Amino acid sequence: GAGVSQTPSNKVTEKGKYVELRCDPISGHTALYWYRQSLGQGPEFLIYFQGTGAADDSGLPNDRFFAVRPEGSVSTLKIQRTERGDSAVYLCASSFTSGGRYNEQFFGPGTRLTVL
Amino acid sequence: AQKITQTQPGMFVQEKEAVTLDCTYDTSDPSYGLFWYKQPSSGEMIFLIYQGSYDQQNATEGRYSLNFQKARKSANLVISASQLGDSAMYFCAMRARVLNSGYALNFGKGTSLLVTP
Repeated sequence: GAGVSQTPSNKVTEKGKYVELRCDPISGHTALYWYRQSLGQGPEFLIYFQGTGAADDSGLPNDRFFAVRPEGSVSTLKIQRTERGDSAVYLCASSFTSGGRYNEQFFGPGTRLTVL
Repeated sequence: AQKITQTQPGMFVQEKEAVTLDCTYDTSDPSYGLFWYKQPSSGEMIFLIYQGSYDQQNATEGRYSLNFQKARKSANLVISASQLGDSAMYFCAMRARVLNSGYALNFGKGTSLLVTP
């Protein structure tokens, strides 16, 4: 079966521009997570969706970042007025449910964002 | 607050040998879960193994085992019979509770493993 897919795989933009990053989770997974991985670091949690709603967005760094999941499947991470510090790999993960024994999170390949 | 520490930025191991990747953690939660993920150069995070804080036995998954020492707050990953394809970044992570019954993963900085012929 298909895993988590993310598009684009690479995105280069200029400072101040707006970008959208897309995540297509595994079919049937109700939980969806966005993480950001800066160079030389582990991924950091940004936002968690349970179904259509953003259940926890405490990891979003500021109000330039926003994410949606309107139909409970595909999610889009939106970054306004990009800054050079936003350059990172943005990872998406999905799982069947949240909680439980460990509910393995399945990760996509990520989108590498470069802000010039 | 939780903290995951991986003190080995890079490790080398010869093919067919065993290697241990270190992970220590800090948490005030009595119930927690620890994960190891592998990240090859393609970028995708691949789940390897899980250890629950109340599990009586150390977790094993094929060539991967987790040396869980609860009192010392360590959860080291042991890879037996290393293969060239094991060369990758390895991340230790802890389940962090978030709102609305969810959980996120709190990752360490990772260890780069290179397996040599």
